[in-house]
Order: sequence, then C-alpha cells, then structure tokens
Amino acid sequence: EVQLVESGGGLVKPGGSLRLSCAASGFPFSSYSMNWVRQAPGKGLEWLSSISSSGSFVHYADSVRDRFTVSRDSGNSLYLQMNSLTAEDTGVYYCVRGTSGAMVLDRWGLGTLVTVSS
Amino acid sequence: DIQMTQSPSTLSASVGDTVTITCRASQGISTWVAWFQQRPGRAPKLLIYQASHLEAGAPSRFSGSGSGAEFTLTITSLEPDDFATYYCQQYSSYPWTFGQGTKVEI
Repeated sequence: EVQLVESGGGLVKPGGSLRLSCAASGFPFSSYSMNWVRQAPGKGLEWLSSISSSGSFVHYADSVRDRFTVSRDSGNSLYLQMNSLTAEDTGVYYCVRGTSGAMVLDRWGLGTLVTVSS
Repeated sequence: DIQMTQSPSTLSASVGDTVTITCRASQGISTWVAWFQQRPGRAPKLLIYQASHLEAGAPSRFSGSGSGAEFTLTITSLEPDDFATYYCQQYSSYPWTFGQGTKVEI
C-alpha cells in the first residue's frame, strides 16, 4: 500500500525556517516524481514544487521560488526546506506522488500543518 | 501562468441528482487536466486524469470530458459521500495550477 507521511510542521515565527519531510513507502520511490502542494486555512490548493524521479529537475511556484528548496534522497524521503517564512505560508502541506510520464498527482499524504505567527 | 476557472463555486444538490462542474483554462491545454475530490479535514483524492480517464478505484458515477480549454466533471446519481469540494488542475505546463474549487452541498 502506498503511504506518504509528512512531518516537520509546527509553529514558526515570521522570517524563520522549517524543514518538512515526507517518508514514502509501498512503491519504488526512485521511479516517481514527487511534489509539494499546500492549502491555506479555508482556501484552495496551491502547487508549490515538483522534483523529478532522479532529482535532477525541479520546478517551483513563483510564490516560493528562492525561499523554498525541494530535495529527495535514496532513503525514500522527500524534503522541503522553507526559509524566510511569512504568515502567507501558513497552511497544510501535502506530499504528493506524481505518476511516471505525465506526473499526475495520484497519491497524497495526510499533510502537516505549518503555522507562521509571532 | 495558466489560470483555471471553475464554475460554479458552490452547487446545491440532492442525493440522486446529476451535477456538472465546469473548468476553463486560460489557454489550450489539450487534455492535461485532473479532477480531485476533497472531503472536509481530508487530503484530496484523484478522481479523473487526462480529462476523461477514471482513476482506479474511483466510482464509475464520476466522469470527465473536454479538451483544449473547457472541461467538465459530471457526477451521476449523487451519493451522500459525494458532498465535498472538487478541484480541477492543469499539468500541461509549469507552474501547475488548480481551479478555486466547487463545493457540492446538500
């Protein structure tokens, strides 16, 4: 069974940093692209970042480019390093698998809550 | 960036109804559209990909259609579990973008 478990969320002050992790299991992690999608409280979904199966290709939304960095390792983990956080970064962050080829967002984790507040 | 505009934002319906949600892209995106269902407090779930392909395990009462810039999600014979928020998403080009969501309520 595919499982994606996010961790690392919490309360952080404006200007601070946080590193999210996603532990993947139940599928050949190295064969799939991975993504981060967030949802602000009461709002819609916002795609943030994608990383290819090899880790060689990454893409970011304009709202987080130059502040967030996505990475992955050979131990079935995905990461999101978040710097210079603002209140607008508050929300639930989802780790999402992308299918090979078209990279459809086919499996989602339960999410981890990030709250940016003083 | 490609904008995805969903309509309506809210839809009131009853069990057994057939409902249709529309998503319009700001430019042509072939059939690179997915539809997701999100129940309150839950993670989104993939229903449809490539505009009309039903995800494995998704109920057959869900169907998608369209190409180019206009897409629809149809739910035939609504069941109680279907009252949720639905999102379209384009994966034609980065940055990937979602519609603002359509809440299907009783």
